[in-house]
Amino acid sequence: GAVVSQHPSRVICKSGTSVKIECRSLDFQATTMFWYRQFPKQSLMLMATSNEGSKATYEQGVEKDKFLINHASLTLSTLTVTSAHPEDSSFYICSARARTGEPPGANVLTFGAGSRLTVL
Amino acid sequence: DQQVKQNSPSLSVQEGRISILNCDYTNSMFDYFLWYKKYPAEGPTFLISISSIKDKNEDGRFTVFLNKSAKHLSLHIVPSQPGDSAVYFCAARRAHMNRDDKIIFGKGTRLHILP
Repeated sequence: GAVVSQHPSRVICKSGTSVKIECRSLDFQATTMFWYRQFPKQSLMLMATSNEGSKATYEQGVEKDKFLINHASLTLSTLTVTSAHPEDSSFYICSARARTGEPPGANVLTFGAGSRLTVL
Repeated sequence: DQQVKQNSPSLSVQEGRISILNCDYTNSMFDYFLWYKKYPAEGPTFLISISSIKDKNEDGRFTVFLNKSAKHLSLHIVPSQPGDSAVYFCAARRAHMNRDDKIIFGKGTRLHILP
């Protein structure tokens, strides 16, 4: 089945630094990738939709200059948290949707394992 | 505004019995509903889905029921097994004319299967 790899799984950084998280589709091409953020005991909050070769579409309230998303190829999307602050500490999860052959009702999204960011 | 609601944060069920997880939604534009299962420190994995034009979908021990008039769906797991202990997310897809359809998640329900 479809596999999405997310790296790193855990990262600790100092306040003010930038952190990059990678999301790769390993055995399929993903024209669209989604970035989610999960706070403790909260739902997965969609941050942005990343389409290969074009600018990401950000959800309301998500700062695009703070959370830089790049989707340079059909298998890789990156999320960079710039000038990180302690309140950015969270669990970030990416998901990918296959390019073709996805009938309605199938597994719409394949998720990565998530990245736990801790900003000191 | 929470469009997908899972009002029970946790549920405990005896092994072998039926687990019923509930989900309510507010947006009538949702066309697909999905259930994802999540273990700690892992990403969610897809479990089962249902189209808005159906009222039931079954896959092995898992059955999802949809009541459109009540804007309510439920996931039934029978018989419940220890490995079913996880957080279950209800999700709904809002189709768009372009390809950027969005998945909206509920807060999840933590299921504990008791021995």
